Amino acid sequence: DTGVSQNPRHKITKRGQNVTFRCDPISEHNRLYWYRQTLGQGPEFLTYFQNEAQLEKSRLLSDRFSAERPKGSFSTLEIQRTEQGDSAMYLCASSQANTIYFGEGSWLTVV
Amino acid sequence: DQQVKQNSPSLSVQEGRISILNCDYTNSMFDYFLWYKKYPAEGPTFLISISSIKDKNEDGRFTVFLNKSAKHLSLHIVPSQPGDSAVYFCAAATGGDYKLSFGAGTTVTVRA
Repeated sequence: DTGVSQNPRHKITKRGQNVTFRCDPISEHNRLYWYRQTLGQGPEFLTYFQNEAQLEKSRLLSDRFSAERPKGSFSTLEIQRTEQGDSAMYLCASSQANTIYFGEGSWLTVV
Repeated sequence: DQQVKQNSPSLSVQEGRISILNCDYTNSMFDYFLWYKKYPAEGPTFLISISSIKDKNEDGRFTVFLNKSAKHLSLHIVPSQPGDSAVYFCAAATGGDYKLSFGAGTTVTVRA
């Protein structure tokens, strides 16, 4: 399978714990994006990378959120001190030109 | 500030008929538009896109129409099939970064 891969697919964590999601983009895609989606809403942009450079961060991305793409390949999204409001699906996407492909998402439930 | 709006939360259509999904946007800087289909617990799947230099793009059963003066686009699915039952998202982007702004989605149900 050469699509965008995300793991874990599901994560249940206690409030206050840290969680990390990983995204493996389509090979050779130089742009990588993170989005968040809650029930009844469309995905909301969080941040994006061109190769290893993080070019933009949404104001939705509080200081508890950090994303990296150390070698311009896979990316991680870490949420520190999780809160119940962080419960959502976290989507990763990648693109080479003007078509953006999404992974299957990582569901986070904070209890 | 919702820059992309899908004002119909749901649409029910009979199998074989046409499904028409609508999307409005407010940001005149948007120059690229996409439609995605999403099943529950899965990520969005790309369907079709259109650049602002065009007013129509067709791919198989899917056609997207863009009316820049009205800041409106629509997706036509002909003929509708049961497998088309899903949530459809309209998305828009500016310039070359392809950072997408999404609508809230329209749930399509195709009746046999």
